[in-house]
Amino acid sequence: EAQVTQNPRYLITVTGKKLTVTCSQNMNHEYMSWYRQDPGLGLRQIYYSMNVEVTDKGDVPEGYKVSRKEKRNFPLILESPSPNQTSLYFCASSLGPRWFYGYTFGSGTRLTVV
Amino acid sequence: AQRVTQPEKLLSVFKGAPVELKCNYSYSGSPELFWYVQYSRQRLQLLLRHISRESIKGFTADLNKGETSFHLKKPFAQEEDSAMYYCALRIPGGFKTIFGAGTRLFVKA
Repeated sequence: EAQVTQNPRYLITVTGKKLTVTCSQNMNHEYMSWYRQDPGLGLRQIYYSMNVEVTDKGDVPEGYKVSRKEKRNFPLILESPSPNQTSLYFCASSLGPRWFYGYTFGSGTRLTVV
Repeated sequence: AQRVTQPEKLLSVFKGAPVELKCNYSYSGSPELFWYVQYSRQRLQLLLRHISRESIKGFTADLNKGETSFHLKKPFAQEEDSAMYYCALRIPGGFKTIFGAGTRLFVKA
């Protein structure tokens, strides 16, 4: 089944403890992106990647890192999580930048930083 | 600056009534617009793309460049339409996509 897989689904951690949220897609998509979803703010783009080894900042990149060493994987790294990073995170992928390629989303990771 | 505005956080209609979810965008070029839907406990999924002028689950959306709007419409709402709806603007040729804050649609029996 074509899909975007995120892990874990739920995570509670303490301030300052490094964590990684994994994202993997099996559709050979070039483009991958991370969003956070907060009440009243909708989805805000954190980072995106156009292809292997090519990444760029979205609107809210502070406190996050990403890497794209393989086409299928796009992990989100929080080196030193803080409570304001408590949010619902979505990974998404797309075949390319053309207008007819919408996103395929993962099921989300709910992160709580205490 | 590029921006997507969905003015209604919550929209409540009765089953069988028409529904219109508003979306306004701010972008100086030719936009690429999408509607996404998130049903309860499900992941976000693509509902509609502009240009294709498709009708999905009875929903349509027309791009109005003069009013910079991309409202989502359905003539007769169903209870299963209750969900969170997001309008999104993708910057053409690139990889940045901006989402609105979302509108929660509640269809009452």
